[in-house]
Amino acid sequence: GENVEQHPSTLSVQEGDSAVIKCTYSDSASNYFPWYKQELGKRPQLIIDIRSNVGEKKDQRIAVTLNKTAKHFSLHITETQPEDSAVYFCAATINTGGFKTIFGAGTRLFVKA
Amino acid sequence: SAVISQKPSRDICQRGTSLTIQCQVDSQVTMMFWYRQQPGQSLTLIATANQGSEATYESGFVIDKFPISRPNLTFSTLTVSNMSPEDSSIYLCSVEVAARGNTEAFFGQGTRLTVV
Repeated sequence: GENVEQHPSTLSVQEGDSAVIKCTYSDSASNYFPWYKQELGKRPQLIIDIRSNVGEKKDQRIAVTLNKTAKHFSLHITETQPEDSAVYFCAATINTGGFKTIFGAGTRLFVKA
Repeated sequence: SAVISQKPSRDICQRGTSLTIQCQVDSQVTMMFWYRQQPGQSLTLIATANQGSEATYESGFVIDKFPISRPNLTFSTLTVSNMSPEDSSIYLCSVEVAARGNTEAFFGQGTRLTVV
């Protein structure tokens, strides 16, 4: 089945710097790659996503890139702010007659003011 | 989008007992998903609940331990049976709906379970 690996597990940056989180997936049939942000004690929420026919997508300070050949995708946050501090999960979704999403292990991002 | 109401939000249970978690969705969905998230860890898929058929369990999870009901397209329950302290975790239900040209996963608030 699908396996998603995520690195780093913890990331600490200074406010204003950029943060990059990287993920790899194993099943080439996965075709949708969402990223979720989970603040402490809250449910995960979608922040950006990308489909396998797109190489890059940007939404304000957040961008995601996808290399389908290498089976890896990355999240880039620019001009980080303290409110970006949270746990970020990458995920890969595969359509097996119904959608099934497998999550990475998560990255705990600390943005220091 | 989808709004999911999950309850209870938290519970403290005695070992050997069972707890049933409920999720209600504000729209009809074909599949509902149940995840476990241990403190500081990722979300692990327990099973997929389909209306009108038995749930599909992931490796490491069995129906006797985590029976699931899916009586209609807006509701599902997950029972954690014969609990032990190792079952202490956050349990979340989720649905995937068409949103902004893709599918997006929406989550319930989670149930924080502590087994003593």
